Amino acid sequence: QSVLTQPPSVSGAPGQRVIISCTASSSNIGAGSGVQWYQQFPGTAPKLLIYASNNRPSGVPDRFSASKSGTSASLAITGLQAEDEAFYYCQSYDSTLSGPVLFGGGTKLTVL
Amino acid sequence: QVQLVQSGAEVKKPGASVKVSCKASGYAFPAFDIHWVRQASGQGLEWMGSLTPDRDNTAYSQKFQDRVTISSDISIDTAYMELSSLTFEDTAVYYCARGTYYFSYWGQGTLVTVSS
Repeated sequence: QSVLTQPPSVSGAPGQRVIISCTASSSNIGAGSGVQWYQQFPGTAPKLLIYASNNRPSGVPDRFSASKSGTSASLAITGLQAEDEAFYYCQSYDSTLSGPVLFGGGTKLTVL
Repeated sequence: QVQLVQSGAEVKKPGASVKVSCKASGYAFPAFDIHWVRQASGQGLEWMGSLTPDRDNTAYSQKFQDRVTISSDISIDTAYMELSSLTFEDTAVYYCARGTYYFSYWGQGTLVTVSS
């Protein structure tokens, strides 16, 4: 059972803004651990979208942004495009639990 | 450019072991941790463990620590993940990924099928 909780699905129309949440126990995100976000298309490896809570790797459009507050983090996608339809995972780390690295359960984004 | 190239698909019987390799190129292999993450069909990402190649330090998920061994051969810039006592529930795609707190580079994935 994941200790990073994401909604199973979200949806939005092209051009809209969607937010995907990631809620954690206080021992990981709340303890100052950074949060990462990955995008994954079926049959392919995950791609890093956001690292250290709100930083984009080179090449990731600025339509993708993220924030963290307390024990929650969120990924925002503005100007939604059809090609954004994918699975999104949050990830953090906590050396006190069953393993240092934690993944959320994943959220399927559907572009209507 | 940084690349992680994994070994090919495997089919194993229950109770057997599997060893998946991850060949790194384009960077100094000892300088970055290698992690292993698996994903069963239609399921999410599951962290299994990690290795710091230049110190041979490993960390394992409690779920797998009795069955998984992560190792490396720095002379050939390759990391390995061996999972023993396979069950049908171990059927999944296994990924290697580079990083410490986040994973900028991923292998292409290796499908391991456990079938009798």
